[in-house]
Amino acid sequence: KNQVEQSPQSLIILEGKNCTLQCNYTVSPFSNLRWYKQDTGRGPVSLTIMTFSENTKSNGRYTATLDADTKQSSLHITASQLSDSASYICVVADRGSTLGRLYFGRGTQLTVWP
Amino acid sequence: EADIYQTPRYLVIGTGKKITLECSQTMGHDKMYWYQQDPGMELHLIHYSYGVNSTEKGDLSSESTVSRIRTEHFPLTLESARPSHTSQYLCASSEPTRGETQYFGPGTRLLVL
Repeated sequence: KNQVEQSPQSLIILEGKNCTLQCNYTVSPFSNLRWYKQDTGRGPVSLTIMTFSENTKSNGRYTATLDADTKQSSLHITASQLSDSASYICVVADRGSTLGRLYFGRGTQLTVWP
Repeated sequence: EADIYQTPRYLVIGTGKKITLECSQTMGHDKMYWYQQDPGMELHLIHYSYGVNSTEKGDLSSESTVSRIRTEHFPLTLESARPSHTSQYLCASSEPTRGETQYFGPGTRLLVL
């Protein structure tokens, strides 16, 4: 069964600190993996996308890694800011269908305190 | 910021009413999607469209229906709302480039009393 599991479910950190969010998946055949940021009451916004051959991708203070062998990904946030408070969703696409089926994790709810 | 819009943003309605959630995008994307998301849960695909006059049901069974008469417009309709329909509904569109990245609208929070 194709699944995407994220940990931790929630995380509280102080402003300025770093943190790492985890994503494990069983989706096969794998196409790509995305990290989305979803602010409360808003739609998700894409942060990074990685294909099978990429093992790291950065977007400002966000750095995503991918280990396609162990089917694990992480999102590292550096020097956190209050505006980083949001849900971070890991999304894995398969290449077994014309639609490019997406499998969503439940997200990690990050809260940054001043 | 993606050019995809949803209205209304919030809707409180009584049981049995007919409602239509609007979704429009100005990016010229052929593929559009509707997702349902409950608090703390993952997004579930309920409808999608490859283009004009194309509509398909997603993975999550839904009593809603959709139409795609124009490329930019993908409304979702509930003929008779029930409390079990209370949820957040997210519309998205995608393009073949950029790995089919989906761009999401702000969502409609629906509460059926």
